[in-house]
Amino acid sequence: EAQVTQNPRYLITVTGKKLTVTCSQNMNHEYMSWYRQDPGLGLRQIYYSMNVEVTDKGDVPEGYKVSRKEKRNFPLILESPSPNQTSLYFCASSLGPGRPQHFGDGTRLSIL
Amino acid sequence: GESVGLHLPTLSVQEGDNSIINCAYSNSASDYFIWYKQESGKGPQFIIDIRSNMDKRQGQRVTVLLNKTVKHLSLQIAATQPGDSAVYFCAEVDSGNTPLVFGKGTRLSVIA
Repeated sequence: EAQVTQNPRYLITVTGKKLTVTCSQNMNHEYMSWYRQDPGLGLRQIYYSMNVEVTDKGDVPEGYKVSRKEKRNFPLILESPSPNQTSLYFCASSLGPGRPQHFGDGTRLSIL
Repeated sequence: GESVGLHLPTLSVQEGDNSIINCAYSNSASDYFIWYKQESGKGPQFIIDIRSNMDKRQGQRVTVLLNKTVKHLSLQIAATQPGDSAVYFCAEVDSGNTPLVFGKGTRLSVIA
């Protein structure tokens, strides 16, 4: 089954404690992306990757890092999380940036 | 369930009625549009897409209409069912190599 898998689905943590949200896709897609979704603001792109070892900033990259060492994986790293990063995060993949995105089921992060 | 949009416009329809969800876009250069459905606790799912050289496209129980003159997109759902309850949002893109731009969404509630 074609899918995008995120882990964990839920995480409550404290300010400053580094965390990583993993994302994996099994569709051999070149393009992968991270979004955050906040009430009233919709989906905002954090980072994207056009291919292995190619990443770039989206609209709201501050406080986040990503890596793309393999085609299937695109982890999101919060080196020093802060409460304003409390949000619902989605990973997505597609054949290209302007093509339909396949989304994971989301990761709810709460930073205390 | 997840609260993906506390401030979203809401549309309430009776089960069996038709639903019309609207989306206004601002970029007159956008040439590809997608409708997504997001159920509580899940990631957005692709419903239907349309290119700017068309003004109507039909799927199973869904129809998308595009009016480029007024930059307006609509999603029509026939014989709305309780399972159609979700947040719906549109996405636009103006070329194959630029990221999708997502609208903020409309919450559809189906009254049984």
